Amino acid sequence: SQKIEQNSEALNIQEGKTATLTCNYTNYSPAYLQWYRQDPGRGPVFLLLIRENEKEKRKERLKVTFDTTLKQSLFHITASQPADSATYLCALGNTNAGKSTFGDGTTLTVKP
Amino acid sequence: GAGVSQSPSNKVTEKGKDVELRCDPISGHTALYWYRQSLGQGLEFLIYFQGNSAPDKSGLPSDRFSAERTGGSVSTLTIQRTQQEDSAVYLCASTPTGTGYGYTFGSGTRLTVV
Repeated sequence: SQKIEQNSEALNIQEGKTATLTCNYTNYSPAYLQWYRQDPGRGPVFLLLIRENEKEKRKERLKVTFDTTLKQSLFHITASQPADSATYLCALGNTNAGKSTFGDGTTLTVKP
Repeated sequence: GAGVSQSPSNKVTEKGKDVELRCDPISGHTALYWYRQSLGQGLEFLIYFQGNSAPDKSGLPSDRFSAERTGGSVSTLTIQRTQQEDSAVYLCASTPTGTGYGYTFGSGTRLTVV
C-alpha cells in the first residue's frame, strides 16, 4: 500500500540555521508533490508544489527538491526564524486522481 | 469569497445524533475536497468533487458518512448516528480544477462527540 514517511515527528534547530525536512514515499508514482505549513488550530497553508519533471523549486527562503528515483523530497528553510515554527506536511498527488495523500507531518521548532 | 469558509467552527454533539458540516469554497473553484484530521495525525481523505463528475467517495469510512455539493458550490458533509471515533477536525479545501494545484483549506470544523 502507499506509504509516506516524514522524518522524525519533531525537529529543533537554532535561529539562523537551515532546517531540512524529509518526505519519503513508497508504492507511489506521484505526478507532483506539495508542501504545506500548519499552525495549531488552523488549516494547512499551501507553500510549494513541485512536479515530477522538476528537480528543484524555490520561493523566498524556501527550497524544495524532488528525486523520483530515490522517491524523496527535501524541504529546506534557510535563515530560519522562530516564526517558522509550525508543522510541515508533504502531500503527493497524481493527474488521474484529484485527491492528494498526506504525510503525518514534521513539527519544526526554531529556537531564538 | 476570498477564502474557503467552514461552519460551524466547533461542534459538540451527543453520540447517536446526526451532524451537518458546511463548506463554502473559493468562488470559481470547480474542485472541492473533504479531509479529516484526528489529534496529532495527518490528513485522511474523505471525498472529492470535481465539476459535474461523479464524486470520488473512496475515503468515506462508513455509510454513516455522506456529502453533497449543490450547484457546484457549497458542500455539506453529513455524519449520521455519530460515534466517539468520529471526533476530529474536518477540513474542506478547494482548487481551481481537479489536479496539479495546491489546496486552499478552510479553518476546519472541530467535531467532538460525547
